[in-house]
Amino acid sequence: ETGVTQSPTHLIKTRGQQVTLRCSSQSGHNTVSWYQQALGQGPQFIFQYYREEENGRGNFPPRFSGLQFPNYSSELNVNALELDDSALYLCASSSRGLAGNEQFFGPGTRLTVL
Amino acid sequence: GQQLNQSPQSMFIQEGEDVSMNCTSSSIFNTWLWYKQDPGEGPVLLIALYKAGELTSNGRLTAQFGITRKDSFLNISASIPSDVGIYFCAGPSSGNQFYFGTGTSLTVIP
Repeated sequence: ETGVTQSPTHLIKTRGQQVTLRCSSQSGHNTVSWYQQALGQGPQFIFQYYREEENGRGNFPPRFSGLQFPNYSSELNVNALELDDSALYLCASSSRGLAGNEQFFGPGTRLTVL
Repeated sequence: GQQLNQSPQSMFIQEGEDVSMNCTSSSIFNTWLWYKQDPGEGPVLLIALYKAGELTSNGRLTAQFGITRKDSFLNISASIPSDVGIYFCAGPSSGNQFYFGTGTSLTVIP
């Protein structure tokens, strides 16, 4: 059984650029959630994908968008990057059902916006 | 939005001591989860709680789901150096959002 994987590990972009982050869910999991974690803070929920559709969204602007693919992997896209977007971006997978709230996290992608 | 407050914010303890931390919410939660995060890594699930009053153990860790459903507690017995990290409580809202607490940073002094 493979765990949640994310790519790339680190990324440096400049203000105004666009970025795509990728996540492969743990085998057997059909739901993917994305989080933004600024330094010294707890993860902030961005959105969740289930059956290739957005299924819950946090307080993030529309320039944060995502996709889920038939194999349950997911992408997070951020347009018009701002300096405050610098953070660790975490992906978590889970399986709908009794234990559907038990989310398992990947190692994250560290994004730096200059 | 939802606010999960954790206390204490940080703890410095001697190896072998017991640790207690808690998490409170302004509204009711039906699930409480406790995670541990090491520097540069993603959070790791420690314990999941699903019923008010539930007390669940995982090795040296014990967590309780508060009766009011607005709080939860995590205890670590006989702390060891590898317990160092940041501990987060978390839970889902009715609107398919997921909230994390402010975190408790634990330092264990050998």
